[in-house]
Amino acid sequence: GAGVSQSPSNKVTEKGKDVELRCDPISGHTALYWYRQSLGQGLEFLIYFQGNSAPDKSGLPSDRFSAERTGGSVSTLTIQRTQQEDSAVYLCASRPPGLAGGGTQYFGPGTRLTVL
Amino acid sequence: AQTVTQSQPEMSVQEAETVTLSCTYDTSESDYYLFWYKQPPSRQMILVIRQEAYKQQNATENRFSVNFQKAAKSFSLKISDSQLGDAAMYFCAYRATTSGTYKYIFGTGTRLKVLA
Repeated sequence: GAGVSQSPSNKVTEKGKDVELRCDPISGHTALYWYRQSLGQGLEFLIYFQGNSAPDKSGLPSDRFSAERTGGSVSTLTIQRTQQEDSAVYLCASRPPGLAGGGTQYFGPGTRLTVL
Repeated sequence: AQTVTQSQPEMSVQEAETVTLSCTYDTSESDYYLFWYKQPPSRQMILVIRQEAYKQQNATENRFSVNFQKAAKSFSLKISDSQLGDAAMYFCAYRATTSGTYKYIFGTGTRLKVLA
């Protein structure tokens, strides 16, 4: 596809369960970001991947959160033992290498996670 | 540390009128990018307009234009001839262009309501 895609669109889970959120970036975009957006709030940076470099995990809120990016393309954000405070929209964004495209990030439609 | 401030949590505008959304930022960098993103209820973040700090000319995209005041560190968005489809959350964002810099700093957003 032409844009960033994310799946699932919505996820409802029970407290304590693990969830996996998927992001397919735009082909050729080497940089990939995950953000969390709580209801009515701004974007909270979670993690950044750039090519084969070690990711910047400084935004992950706890060790229950992890992410990986396989083959420099698809990324998966995993939340273990979900808590109600994890309920939010999780946004993925990708961008071209360096400052190509004026440094613009392209966002996916997000995954709305609801933890009951 | 860089910060982005949007002091207007909510704004309203009559259809066909003009509205200006405010954004200020703080940085010690001399070169950077500034962005306005629109997030409608569908959640998809869409780039509205982008400004390179080294360019003195204000960016314009159809009905959207910015007033970039570098010395004042101000980056406001003007929407002319407002349409019902302009109703959304608007986020201002900043990114330095310094080599190795990759994080985007987002403001907390302004919710724009368009009145028929």
